[in-house]
Amino acid sequence: NAGVTQTPKFRVLKTGQSMTLLCAQDMNHEYMYWYRQDPGMGLRLIHYSVGEGTTAKGEVPDGYNVSRLKKQNFLLGLESAAPSQTSVYFCATDRDFSYEQYFGPGTRLTVT
Amino acid sequence: GQQVMQIPQYQHVQEGEDFTTYCNSSTTLSNIQWYKQRPGGHPVFLIQLVKSGEVKKQKRLTFQFGEAKKNSSLHITATQTTDVGTYFCAGRGNTGFQKLVFGTGTRLLVSP
Repeated sequence: NAGVTQTPKFRVLKTGQSMTLLCAQDMNHEYMYWYRQDPGMGLRLIHYSVGEGTTAKGEVPDGYNVSRLKKQNFLLGLESAAPSQTSVYFCATDRDFSYEQYFGPGTRLTVT
Repeated sequence: GQQVMQIPQYQHVQEGEDFTTYCNSSTTLSNIQWYKQRPGGHPVFLIQLVKSGEVKKQKRLTFQFGEAKKNSSLHITATQTTDVGTYFCAGRGNTGFQKLVFGTGTRLLVSP
């Protein structure tokens, strides 16, 4: 029972490159979230999904796209990376909005 | 939109001293959650408070939810080096489906 996993753990991109971060969960949770964490700014919600095939924008969605083709997977895409997207990215899941969130181990992304 | 602020941003204590972090929301909350993030780790759920004026304890940790459901606090009695980390509060609004909004976090350092 792995819980929430994220790949990759680390990545360095050059400005303009693209990449996809994968979040996978085996908890059978409906809700999934992508956050970014920057020093002194806490966790900010990028996009979220309330079920397979659905996605919605969070607080800071610009420059990111997401897809939830399967219930257990939530993908975060950067089409053209910018240095401002250097951050630690966390995926999280919960059963529904009344319950606690479970976080993945994070992906540390550097854009040069 | 809803904003959640935490103070202090950082606190350095000697082992055995007490520690308190405060969380304030710009809007009334339906519930508030607390998470702990160890250095280099991911946020881990500690507790959820739902009722106005609620107080919950977990060993040396005491959590309070304000009467107006707009503020909360976490108090640690007699800190230990294992308490080191960043403590986040996270609140949900009280109408419909509301996303969890994280506070800016309080980083706690404990010296032996």
